[in-house]
Amino acid sequence: AQSVTQLGSHVSVSEGALVLLRCNYSSSVPPYLFWYVQYPNQGLQLLLKYTTGATLVKGINGFEAEFKKSETSFHLTKPSAHMSDAAEYFCAVALGGSARQLTFGSGTQLTVLP
Amino acid sequence: NAGVTQTPKFQVLKTGQSMTLQCAQDMNHEYMSWYRQDPGMGLRLIHYSVGAGITDQGEVPNGYNVSRSTTEDFPLRLLSAAPSQTSVYFCASSYLGVQYFGPGTRLTVT
Repeated sequence: AQSVTQLGSHVSVSEGALVLLRCNYSSSVPPYLFWYVQYPNQGLQLLLKYTTGATLVKGINGFEAEFKKSETSFHLTKPSAHMSDAAEYFCAVALGGSARQLTFGSGTQLTVLP
Repeated sequence: NAGVTQTPKFQVLKTGQSMTLQCAQDMNHEYMSWYRQDPGMGLRLIHYSVGAGITDQGEVPNGYNVSRSTTEDFPLRLLSAAPSQTSVYFCASSYLGVQYFGPGTRLTVT
């Protein structure tokens, strides 16, 4: 079985500051890892995913995440926050193969302050 | 392509009523799933289907039924609604490890 822990249900940053959203996972097999973003009153959109290969993954809107097996982490970062980044962010893990069944973290609400 | 569509967007039910949440996708994806989203709990898998005629339970299946007669459609049925089923429901289809979510249905059970 796999699980996901997102540290910090709410994170606030100033516009232009670094965004760091933390995600730790547990999995008995090499995981597939995902970050999804949810804007108010919308469904989830994929930001980025890690399956195999390069451990630093780049996604949309300037976000990236690094898979660190030794730390069982997959933290999401963005060098400079923009007001439009305000949303809820979900980390998710899936077992390998088709990665169809996702287990989600509880989410982190990102607020960007002017 | 419309992607994944869900109807209705909002619904209010009384305890004990039944209803069906509709989900359709036009991407010819074999895998579809239903999640519920509750504050502070992320998304939890209710039921999923790996193709027409095949369904299985997820993490929180109690109180919900599904069927999959076509590749396109994957309805979720609440047979006797309970206040604990007040939630936002998302349908998703999956291809090559990526899940595509619908816009959600906000359900309130009074």
